[in-house]
Amino acid sequence: AQKITQTQPGMFVQEKEAVTLDCTYDTSDQSYGLFWYKQPSSGEMIFLIYQGSYDEQNATEGRYSLNFQKARKSANLVISASQLGDSAMYFCAMREDYSNYQLIWGAGTKLIIKP
Amino acid sequence: DADVTQTPRNRITKTGKRIMLECSQTKGHDRMYWYRQDPGLGLRLIYYSFDVKDINKGEISDGYSVSRQAQAKFSLSLESAIPNQTALYFCATSDNRGKQPQHFGDGTRLSIL
Repeated sequence: AQKITQTQPGMFVQEKEAVTLDCTYDTSDQSYGLFWYKQPSSGEMIFLIYQGSYDEQNATEGRYSLNFQKARKSANLVISASQLGDSAMYFCAMREDYSNYQLIWGAGTKLIIKP
Repeated sequence: DADVTQTPRNRITKTGKRIMLECSQTKGHDRMYWYRQDPGLGLRLIYYSFDVKDINKGEISDGYSVSRQAQAKFSLSLESAIPNQTALYFCATSDNRGKQPQHFGDGTRLSIL
């Protein structure tokens, strides 16, 4: 079974609109962490935001926020006021704290921002 | 200078050749990782190392080997390359605090003909 599911292979969004990228996860661990990374067309992997399973507040980093719904096992990335430079692949990843801190990755969502 | 440096950035080679991809880091992290990325898939872990004396197989270690020469250096070898090892390869590092993200090199695009 997939441990990290990103159901949107691709999305088109108008510039300046907000966008939500979906991520659901599956774990029986009580302690885990969720990460989002951005991969522009140049190929590098850029860390965006982190949410711990025990964090009470949703994580925010500038225009990025994480809509963490623990009971639903979802960790959606929200990008506010999208910009052309946000066009990229976005990956959700999970670290289970009883599995040697390895990251398990989703297949990614390709986001294209339209001018 | 980049914190995590991978060499080479691009490599085209032939089936059966031995290839080494190198990774060095200046972040002082103990943990280092090798991943491969194929189109339409997320990253898959090949090997990881928590310190110089600790090497572990990841999800897809067959056909690969690694060497942790020092805290800052972690190399990946393909002993006899085959075309389905054509992929984008990433090295990553992290410290030993679970909340911290992994930091990635810029990747090596490897093509095996």
